[in-house]
Amino acid sequence: DGGITQSPKYLFRKEGQNVTLSCEQNLNHDAMYWYRQDPGQGLRLIYYSQIVNDFQKGDIAEGYSVSREKKESFPLTVTSAQKNPTAFYLCASSIRVSAFYGYTFGSGTRLTVV
Amino acid sequence: SQQGEEDPQALSIQEGENATMNCSYKTSINNLQWYRQNSGRGLVHLILIRSNEREKHSGRLRVTLDTSKKSSSLLITASRAADTASYFCATEDNNDMRFGAGTRLTVKP
Repeated sequence: DGGITQSPKYLFRKEGQNVTLSCEQNLNHDAMYWYRQDPGQGLRLIYYSQIVNDFQKGDIAEGYSVSREKKESFPLTVTSAQKNPTAFYLCASSIRVSAFYGYTFGSGTRLTVV
Repeated sequence: SQQGEEDPQALSIQEGENATMNCSYKTSINNLQWYRQNSGRGLVHLILIRSNEREKHSGRLRVTLDTSKKSSSLLITASRAADTASYFCATEDNNDMRFGAGTRLTVKP
């Protein structure tokens, strides 16, 4: 079945530690996105990528980094510079950067700072 | 930043009743989409309505769009307990997608 797989489902980070969230899709979509969701709030865009080896900052990119070395993969690293990383992180993809055909979302990773 | 704003923030109804959620936005759009999110899960695309369309149906879902008022509504008819979820509108303009904060719908059996 085609879809997006995010792992792990739950992640705990110690203060000052970098962690990487995985996002893999087998939909052959060109565009991929990372969103952050805080309780009772909408989604805020962290980074997006239109094609391999290219990515753009979203509204809240500070303290995060990404890579897009393969079409299928778009990992997100939450660095120690991100002061309030506890949140629900969602990865999405679309056929191309236009949302005309809708986004497909993964099941999310819940990150908690301990 | 968010573009769409859903109203109400929370809605509780009995099974079998209709549920109406509204979305207002501020700038011009190419299309507006509605998504559903079950607790602790990702979003699922429900329906897309283009800026030149006024109404669209999909099963028990009916979406309207009024570009003059910059608003959209999502109607779920004959609701079921399984419809309990958060519903988000998302607006797209020039490849920039913006999500609202969502309406939390609870359908009581």
